[in-house]
Amino acid sequence: AQRVTQPEKLLSVFKGAPVELKCNYSYSGSPELFWYVQYSRQRLQLLLRHISRESIKGFTADLNKGETSFHLKKPFAQEEDSAMYYCALFNAGNMLTFGGGTRLMVKP
Amino acid sequence: NAGVMQNPRHLVRRRGQEARLRCSPMKGHSHVYWYRQLPEEGLKFMVYLQKENIIDESGMPKERFSAEFPKEGPSILRIQQVVRGDSAAYFCASSTGAGMNTEAFFGQGTRLTVV
Repeated sequence: AQRVTQPEKLLSVFKGAPVELKCNYSYSGSPELFWYVQYSRQRLQLLLRHISRESIKGFTADLNKGETSFHLKKPFAQEEDSAMYYCALFNAGNMLTFGGGTRLMVKP
Repeated sequence: NAGVMQNPRHLVRRRGQEARLRCSPMKGHSHVYWYRQLPEEGLKFMVYLQKENIIDESGMPKERFSAEFPKEGPSILRIQQVVRGDSAAYFCASSTGAGMNTEAFFGQGTRLTVV
């Protein structure tokens, strides 16, 4: 069975500080991993996926198969980054599993 | 393409009534996922459906909850005899199920309040 773990429910940082939101997964196959963001009372939006290896809004995430991690990073947090962040895994059977989410609060 | 549409956006039900939540996936999407989000909590998987089939319902309570995705029309999440603990936001997502590079798109959710 696949599992996605986000160990921190809440992460609070000051504006301009680096941010790392942790995500670990367990899956026996080759996973497709994503980060979704949910701004206050809005729908979830795709932030980035490991396949495209792109940077969105200054965020990056690298898949580390050895550590089974897909941590989300940003060197300098902005207040508008405050949101709920979800790590997600698509398996080969198209089953989409989310982690429990991390609420990021960026203080001025 | 209007995106994933959920209705109603807000639903108020008295204890014991039935709640029916609808999700119209994006055009061309045959895979639908339902999630529940309690206040200040993360997303909890409920059920995964493809057209006319339930693929995984391991996150859905066995009692009172059911889901369907008929050949024609939206996916329906049905909650019978609602209780206060059912109050939550229910999100639907859809995808093409096309394997690599597939992506799930979310609706705006239905906020169910049981009074």
